Amino acid sequence: GAGVSQSPSNKVTEKGKDVELRCDPISGHTALYWYRQSLGQGLEFLIYFQGNSAPDKSGLPSDRFSAERTGGSVSTLTIQRTQQEDSAVYLCASSLANRNQPQHFGDGTRLSIL
Amino acid sequence: GDSVTQMEGPVTLSEEAFLTINCTYTATGYPSLFWYVQYPGEGLQLLLKATKADDKGSNKGFEATYRKETTSFHLEKGSVQVSDSAVYFCALSTSNTGKLIFGQGTTLQVKP
Repeated sequence: GAGVSQSPSNKVTEKGKDVELRCDPISGHTALYWYRQSLGQGLEFLIYFQGNSAPDKSGLPSDRFSAERTGGSVSTLTIQRTQQEDSAVYLCASSLANRNQPQHFGDGTRLSIL
Repeated sequence: GDSVTQMEGPVTLSEEAFLTINCTYTATGYPSLFWYVQYPGEGLQLLLKATKADDKGSNKGFEATYRKETTSFHLEKGSVQVSDSAVYFCALSTSNTGKLIFGQGTTLQVKP
């Protein structure tokens, strides 16, 4: 079956521009996570969505980062006024609604800020 | 805060050698523990998990036992293959949200 789909797979942009990353979770998965994988920081949690509940935004590194999830399915992560330190692979994962359920990861979006 | 510490890599082994990748954790609550693997050119995928003390997770010949007394979850395999070459991440979850806290990852290279 279809896994977690992320787009674009690669994004190169200039410093100061805004970028939008998309995640399409596995159908039926109510939990959705965003993580960031970078050389200096490893894998870090960014934000979590569960159904209609308020998202857990505790991992967002600054107010330039925001995310939304429309209709309980597709999610977009937006980074405004990008900085070079935002360069990383952004991973999306989805799971069934239980903290012990495995998270299924997409292939990620590799973001490079020039 | 909660954290995971893994042994630094890269780890280089010959085929059929015994593998141990150490993982220890610090957690304020009672965590669930996971090993995820990232094969070259592929996405992150769950390898095994354990949700309570003394549980043993196992998959594809890999095993890890949840040791509460030593706050550890070491990954082992009796005989590695070239196809096991990958990056291995230890992770924990204590939150009801299930968000994962990852270790830094350990690169394993198996030579024929």
